[in-house]
Amino acid sequence: QVHLVESGGGVVQPGRSLRLSCAASGFTFSNYAMHWVRQAPGQGLEWMAVISSNKYYADSVKGRFSISRDNSKNTVYMQMNSLRAEDTAVYYCAREGPRYFEYWGRGTLVTVSS
Amino acid sequence: DVVMTQTPLSLSVTPGQPASISCKSSQSLLYSDGKTYLYWYLQKPGQSPQLLIYEVSNRFSGVPDRFSGSGSGTDFTLRISRVEAEDVGVYYCMQSIQLPVTFGGGTKVEIK
Repeated sequence: QVHLVESGGGVVQPGRSLRLSCAASGFTFSNYAMHWVRQAPGQGLEWMAVISSNKYYADSVKGRFSISRDNSKNTVYMQMNSLRAEDTAVYYCAREGPRYFEYWGRGTLVTVSS
Repeated sequence: DVVMTQTPLSLSVTPGQPASISCKSSQSLLYSDGKTYLYWYLQKPGQSPQLLIYEVSNRFSGVPDRFSGSGSGTDFTLRISRVEAEDVGVYYCMQSIQLPVTFGGGTKVEIK
């Protein structure tokens, strides 16, 4: 069955960088677009980015975050630079297709704090 | 960006009673392919969101038939015919007709 497992979260100081990973299994990874969605503590869901043959970003992270994928490793990444306190959130990866966000990972917590 | 507005913010429901959540989008979610890209998700406490309804009214695999979705254009509704204890959590509507994907603010459902 489909599994998505995020990793790489932790506590990081403002202005520093972090790279999140999402390891996928149970499906042909290269056939699907992959997304990152985040949720600040006690808040709602916020879409961050998608990667298929192209990449698109939310305005809130454009220029600071970069999504990439390695189809040979069945993994999607989110490189997060210049982190701010407001980037503190649980970060989920999710698969697109055949229905949007049928599958989600359990998330990884990023805390930006000095 | 498409703005998704959900009401109410919260609901307290007696088990066995119905519940209804409204979601309005700032522009039509009807695409040129004839599909309407409106989804409903439930995030149970401490869990990841899970897909309930796709394209307005289609229940995802394994979703009980007490959940139903309706609407068109810019106005949508999620109904639970008889709320059960396991239905507690936050419900989100979401549009995918255009990027950025956007979510409603969420409706918290609790049991009386």
